[in-house]
Amino acid sequence: DVKVTQSSRYLVKRTGEKVFLECVQDMDHENMFWYRQDPGLGLRLIYFSYDVKMKEKGDIPEGYSVSREKKERFSLILESASTNQTSMYLCASSGRRGPYGYTFGSGTRLTVV
Amino acid sequence: DQQVKQNSPSLSVQEGRISILNCDYTNSMFDYFLWYKKYPAEGPTFLISISSIKDKNEDGRFTVFLNKSAKHLSLHIVPSQPGDSAVYFCAASEDNDKIIFGKGTRLHILP
Repeated sequence: DVKVTQSSRYLVKRTGEKVFLECVQDMDHENMFWYRQDPGLGLRLIYFSYDVKMKEKGDIPEGYSVSREKKERFSLILESASTNQTSMYLCASSGRRGPYGYTFGSGTRLTVV
Repeated sequence: DQQVKQNSPSLSVQEGRISILNCDYTNSMFDYFLWYKKYPAEGPTFLISISSIKDKNEDGRFTVFLNKSAKHLSLHIVPSQPGDSAVYFCAASEDNDKIIFGKGTRLHILP
């Protein structure tokens, strides 16, 4: 069964901390995405990557960066966590360009205190 | 600017009846539309999609209707079942690009 695995289900971090959210997929997918889900705001795209070492900004990249050193791993980095980054973070991957076959992980609920 | 709009944050439907979830979009260049379903503590899962060259696509209890002139699509679930209680996201794509999601509608199926 194909999988997208997010390393933590729940995280609590302090304001100002550097936070790493890890995502690994076992499907040899080229494309990987980071979204955040907030009540009343839906799913918003933070960053995405169409290839190793490649990254592109999504709709809300401010305060975030990403790293994709290996095809299967896409990391989201909060350089200095703030309380407005408290959210559910969802990673997804897909095997071809376009809106097809997105597989999502189960999400990481991050709370910044 | 929100390109995919789901104006109903929640919807309650009696078990066995039809559930109709609505979605509007503003970008006339969108050519592919999708519905995703999300349970709490799980990632969204793909439900059904439709290309802009069609006006209807059916998969079991789920049917998606597309009205391009009105920039409107809807998801019909017949009959509604308790396991259908979830958040439903409408989504769209332009020219084989990435997906843009709406805010979601929470569907409650009442016993």
